Amino acid sequence: SQQGEEDPQALSIQEGENATMNCSYKTSINNLQWYRQNSGRGLVHLILIRSNEREKHSGRLRVTLDTSKKSSSLLITASRAADTASYFCATEKNNNDMRFGAGTRLTVKP
Amino acid sequence: DAGVIQSPRHEVTEMGQEVTLRCKPISGHDYLFWYRQTMMRGLELLIYFNNNVPIDDSGMPEDRFSAKMPNASFSTLKIQPSEPRDSAVYFCASSLLGEQYFGPGTRLTVT
Repeated sequence: SQQGEEDPQALSIQEGENATMNCSYKTSINNLQWYRQNSGRGLVHLILIRSNEREKHSGRLRVTLDTSKKSSSLLITASRAADTASYFCATEKNNNDMRFGAGTRLTVKP
Repeated sequence: DAGVIQSPRHEVTEMGQEVTLRCKPISGHDYLFWYRQTMMRGLELLIYFNNNVPIDDSGMPEDRFSAKMPNASFSTLKIQPSEPRDSAVYFCASSLLGEQYFGPGTRLTVT
């Protein structure tokens, strides 16, 4: 299936530490996106990485993409309590048809 | 822009009743998506439209579900008749260049 799968399902760290979440998928894609969801809210787009890109940065976020391994990682550096949320990867194969994984629940303890 | 607007935010209804969820996408966006999120199944794509035309409705669970987009600024998702297993949060999202913007969701409870 095209759907991304996040790993781990849950992650708990201390404020200031780095958080790494992984995403694996099974088919070729045009791009991969990471989203964040706070409890009870809609998803918020974080970053998009295209299939011909290997790494992308946005503030404290760093995303890598390895198309040969069909995997991506999201690194949040110097985490803050406000980063506590669920993080989803979404793979897009064509025509804006995106499939979301089950998400990683990140808890950052102050 | 106010972002994607969904209504109602919460809906409680009895089994067998008709439920209509509404969505106003961001002006200028040409794609609109309906998702359902539950603890068991996560975030599922139900249907999406491009320029008001349904492109893929393979995610719609069954015939009880229907979606329309009569114009570029409005879409509805209807469930008739509703069942307790339809209880979930339903999200609408719109996009223009790939990045999707989600609405706040409608929390549906069917008793």
